Amino acid sequence: DAGVIQSPRHEVTEMGQEVTLRCKPISGHDYLFWYRQTMMRGLELLIYFNNNVPIDDSGMPEDRFSAKMPNASFSTLKIQPSEPRDSAVYFCASTRHLATINTIYFGEGSWLTVV
Amino acid sequence: QQQVKQSPQSLIVQKGGISIINCAYENTAFDYFPWYQQFPGKGPALLIAIRPDVSEKKEGRFTISFNKSAKQFSLHIMDSQPGDSATYFCAAPPVNRDDKIIFGKGTRLHILP
Repeated sequence: DAGVIQSPRHEVTEMGQEVTLRCKPISGHDYLFWYRQTMMRGLELLIYFNNNVPIDDSGMPEDRFSAKMPNASFSTLKIQPSEPRDSAVYFCASTRHLATINTIYFGEGSWLTVV
Repeated sequence: QQQVKQSPQSLIVQKGGISIINCAYENTAFDYFPWYQQFPGKGPALLIAIRPDVSEKKEGRFTISFNKSAKQFSLHIMDSQPGDSATYFCAAPPVNRDDKIIFGKGTRLHILP
């Protein structure tokens, strides 16, 4: 399997613009996670899905952030409008079983810079 | 919600030395305690994990020590090498099946050549 695939790898955008990050999880994985990583806050869980259904979005910072999972092989994280403080690395990850956490697989991340 | 406290935040070790990173958790009902390793520009990847029915697990130069009564586990890197320079995260499994998996804030390890 190719692993978790994220796009774009790098994105530079101007403040106020819409940003859409994309993720393809590993086939057969029931859980998909979106994380944000910054120096100050470390690795933060934004939202996660089970079988395409959002389970917990309490980590989403504000209404400017939204995530969807229209099918088992695709998810998006959207920021509209973007702000400089959204600059971070956004990781998508997937796993087959939530309780057996040693099977979480991360993508290589989307590096977002908002200027 | 599960809390995970990882220390230290950063660590500098001479080549050949022992690197030790600690993690403390609050509660869990499940069975794996992992460490993830993240190299610059990459996503975290599982390094090593331990079940709580054993006190230690060793894989090459990497060892996890687990203290169930203290709710702590630690990562030891023996004979540390410059290639071990990375950020290390511990994680605690959820208390309940639908709880979030919680990662520690990470330890940036730098091995001096």
